[in-house]
Amino acid sequence: EADIYQTPRYLVIGTGKKITLECSQTMGHDKMYWYQQDPGMELHLIHYSYGVNSTEKGDLSSESTVSRIRTEHFPLTLESARPSHTSQYLCASSERDNTEAFFGQGTRLTVV
Amino acid sequence: AQSVAQPEDQVNVAEGNPLTVKCTYSVSGNPYLFWYVQYPNRGLQFLLKYITGDNLVKGSYGFEAEFNKSQTSFHLKKPSALVSDSALYFCAVRETGFQKLVFGTGTRLLVSP
Repeated sequence: EADIYQTPRYLVIGTGKKITLECSQTMGHDKMYWYQQDPGMELHLIHYSYGVNSTEKGDLSSESTVSRIRTEHFPLTLESARPSHTSQYLCASSERDNTEAFFGQGTRLTVV
Repeated sequence: AQSVAQPEDQVNVAEGNPLTVKCTYSVSGNPYLFWYVQYPNRGLQFLLKYITGDNLVKGSYGFEAEFNKSQTSFHLKKPSALVSDSALYFCAVRETGFQKLVFGTGTRLLVSP
């Protein structure tokens, strides 16, 4: 069954550590997205990609970086985690502009 | 730039009553509009979308939404609410020809027994 996977689901890490949040989809979608979700629930687009080797920054400035070397894989990296990075991170993909996006279960990151 | 507004942080309704969750949007061109629901500690689940055609769109779990171009709105509705409908609801827009999918701030729906 086609799906979108995020790992890990939960992560507690110390300040200054480098982390990579994984996102993979088996649907062959060209478009992929990373959202940061506040504790108060608002979703902020931080990165998106419309194909291999294409990435763009979203509306919310983020210290994270992304890469898109393969269609199915869109990892997000924080070089040096800080407590302000504590949040839920949601990955999504979609096939075309007029199709819905599919979301992963999310990664809840806590930086202590 | 495209944007979405959900003016209500929370909507309270009694079980069995109709519900409406409001959404307005702003785009330069034609919009693709979506509604999603989020349950605790989960990702977002797709409910319904408007691409073109009939202004009344029907989706999952008995939900529907009406596209109103003159009012730039896409309100989510359900004729009879269930307690299990209690969740976070997000409206989203993608402008045709653009890649970004932008979400509203979300509305918490609370259905009381």
